[in-house]
Parts: sequence; structure tokens; C-alpha cells
Amino acid sequence: LAKTTQPISMDSYEGQEVNITCSHNNIATNDYITWYQQFPSQGPRFIIQGYKTKVTNEVASLFIPADRKSSTLSLPRVSLSDTAVYYCLVGSGYSTLTFGKGTMLLVSP
Amino acid sequence: KAGVTQTPRYLIKTRGQQVTLSCSPISGHRSVSWYQQTPGQGLQFLFEYFSETQRNKGNFPGRFSGRQFSNSRSEMNVSTLELGDSALYLCASRTKELAGEGPYEQYFGPGTRLTVT
Repeated sequence: LAKTTQPISMDSYEGQEVNITCSHNNIATNDYITWYQQFPSQGPRFIIQGYKTKVTNEVASLFIPADRKSSTLSLPRVSLSDTAVYYCLVGSGYSTLTFGKGTMLLVSP
Repeated sequence: KAGVTQTPRYLIKTRGQQVTLSCSPISGHRSVSWYQQTPGQGLQFLFEYFSETQRNKGNFPGRFSGRQFSNSRSEMNVSTLELGDSALYLCASRTKELAGEGPYEQYFGPGTRLTVT
């Protein structure tokens, strides 16, 4: 299973754009990159998933360079409610989703 | 469509006892996974069941076991409880029918908070 590395924590202010980078040097050819968000005492929630280049949905964008050894989750104009832990995972199909320690994002007023 | 439900939500047990946690997946989802989350170790994979068969298993002792029923509901059992088993136990279900080629999106339940005293 590809291992991922993310910053342990990040701080931001309301209205700013936040970029969280994840490295996955051993990503396999058929692996996708997926990001989850978790609030305290709740289960993680799917945010976005991609294979290469750029993916955008209503809450975030995911940038994946050509070598796919890293990816960046971009959260535009964060609010206090975006304070959460963000997990980066790699895998495909029914592969086991292995969660690392994630990145604790703290958004301040 | 109802989400993943877990019962009970909170549980207090004594060392040496055993406990059974229950999870009902989203209707139509045949895969159910269990995770343990603690402040020190983070979110750790326990096992996954698909159509009543265990597909994958994490690195946990044999005291942790599970099963899945024909209606996809799943139970997790922990025997001879230890203080270190205190954690949030999360269940997640997923299906390939709604996914493309990537890892099939997992839908998590609210979890069961187990406290062992």
C-alpha cells in the first residue's frame, strides 16, 4: 500500500485559500488519490478524488502533477467550519483505505 | 436514503468483559469496514466484510472479531477488554455501483464511543 505523508497541522484565517500537500512517492499506476475530512467525534467524510491533473467540485480542488508523487488539496476561502482533520489516501477499487494521522487545519477568525 | 447507523453510540465496560457493536450499512451497500480511532494511533483499519466474507484484516489481536449477516449488517466483537481498547469505533460502508474506477467512496457512521474502566 502506498504510504502518504502530510503536514501534521496548518493554521489559516477565515476567507483565505488553504493548500494542503500530500506526498505519495510509491503510488501505483491504478491508484487514485482521495481526500476525507473529519470533524471531532464524527466519521470521516469524502471530499474529493482524482487520478491526474486537476479535479474540482463544489467544496475543493485537487491538483495532481504529472508524476503523481504528490497532490494538493485546495480549499478556497475557508471558514471557521472548515476546522477539521484532512486525510489523504491512495488506493483503487476495493483496496483497503489506510488513514494516516492527517492534517489538523485550524481556521481562526 | 438513510446513512450508516451504529449502535450503541456510547458504551462503558469493565476490563475483562466483552462487547458487541453493531453497524447497519447504507441500503444496497455490501461492503462494511470497521476502524478504531484513538488520539495516539489515529484511525486504524480493523477489518472489512463483503457479502458475509472477511476480505481484509488489519493488524489487531484475535480478541477483535467481526461478522456480516446476509442483510449486510455487521457486528464487531471485542473479548477480554483492556484499558487500551477505549476508543471510537467507526463503521463504514461502500459500493462500487456508484463509483468510477477509483477507490469506492466510504460512508462512515457516527461511531460508538467505548470506554473501558
